Amino acid sequence: GQSLEQPSEVTAVEGAIVQINCTYQTSGFYGLSWYQQHDGGAPTFLSYNALDGLEETGRFSSFLSRSDSYGYLLLQELQMKDSASYFCAASTDSWGKFQFGAGTQVVVTP
Amino acid sequence: NAGVTQTPKFQVLKTGQSMTLQCAQDMNHNSMYWYRQDPGMGLRLIYYSASEGTTDKGEVPNGYNVSRLNKREFSLRLESAAPSQTSVYFCASSELRDRDTEAFFGQGTRLTVV
Repeated sequence: GQSLEQPSEVTAVEGAIVQINCTYQTSGFYGLSWYQQHDGGAPTFLSYNALDGLEETGRFSSFLSRSDSYGYLLLQELQMKDSASYFCAASTDSWGKFQFGAGTQVVVTP
Repeated sequence: NAGVTQTPKFQVLKTGQSMTLQCAQDMNHNSMYWYRQDPGMGLRLIYYSASEGTTDKGEVPNGYNVSRLNKREFSLRLESAAPSQTSVYFCASSELRDRDTEAFFGQGTRLTVV
């Protein structure tokens, strides 16, 4: 079957760096996205990797290795406002259909 | 720019009742989606529509029907609600691009079936 695996929770202190790993197994794969969700609100887009390598957007970076079916989201210089759930999502067809992982709860402590 | 608008925001239904969740987007996107989110299970795809006039089942379609009324609107119908359908429902839209595919989500509908 199709699945995306990511850790359920990560805790870190302000200013630290956190890496959230995502391994995927899907019947089709066009790219890997990351979304942030605060307190059950609307998920918001962070990044998308269609090709292998690192994409950097401010304090957040995302990496993809298609050969390893693996990606990660790197959160640097953690701030309290980064406490949220983070989801990886695989695009599984050419129309952009997404399948989501179960999410990683990031808890930032002072 | 409103983005993706869902109605209603909250709803309580009795078992067996029916209702339709409405979703509209103003970004001229071809693809639209309905997801449900349950605690600890992430977002699960119910149905999606790759373009006006087409719909396809996702991971958990049983108990639901959808209509892609036009390019803007994609509705989700529960014909006979069951307590297992208590969840938060999110509508989303996106446009596939080579380097970047971003999905935009509505604020969600919190549905309780008693």
